[in-house]
Amino acid sequence: EIVLTQSPGTLSLSPGERATLSCRTSQSVSNSYLAWYQQKPGQAPRLIMFGASSRATGIPDRFSGRGSGTDYTLTISGLEPEDFAVYYCQLYGNSPSWTFGQGTKVEI
Amino acid sequence: QLQLQESGPGLVKPSENLSLTCTISGDSIGSGRYYWGWTRQPPGKGLEWIGSLGYSGTTYYNPSLKSRVTISVDTSKNQFSLRLTSVTAADTSIYFCARHHVSIVSNSPGYYMDVWGKGTTVIVSS
Repeated sequence: EIVLTQSPGTLSLSPGERATLSCRTSQSVSNSYLAWYQQKPGQAPRLIMFGASSRATGIPDRFSGRGSGTDYTLTISGLEPEDFAVYYCQLYGNSPSWTFGQGTKVEI
Repeated sequence: QLQLQESGPGLVKPSENLSLTCTISGDSIGSGRYYWGWTRQPPGKGLEWIGSLGYSGTTYYNPSLKSRVTISVDTSKNQFSLRLTSVTAADTSIYFCARHHVSIVSNSPGYYMDVWGKGTTVIVSS
């Protein structure tokens, strides 16, 4: 079973700053099948990124993703007030099965 | 526009079975173009994949829950369902259903969750 480890657990930043979130997998991810989700309190997760670096529909270009193998990063350049949320990375398509990281909270 | 709506009892007694339904509007579960699945989130905790329904009714389950989980489909009602047996307090969670969109790289498919329901809270308590 592949384990996803996200860091840091909490990121305290101000609007306008750059957020860098890390997701490390215990084994190499096939075809960069890694997604990122944003979740705000009381809401369902929202797809932000798939294929490690492809933005989902309607996601602004301040969100970017990169990575391969076992190390992946989600960057938010210029935090907007609506970006403060919890972000989860997810491995998909392996077996197939789906695994989430434990989440990174981006707070003000 | 695709919408998913979870429904089911909000309170289940320990040792009983939990049954939830996800009703799809704006797409047909019988189209065979997507996977569909369930994820849950205990209070204040992270997301846990429960299981997914693939093409032709093939099912995939989280190994940690496999012995207690059944996911089924009712194409006539455009719904799919979750059954979790012998629940305990540890099954108290928000349960989400989601569509899985296919992505194919190097002839190998992967299915990311692109549309989610709003979730339904299930409390296990006597």
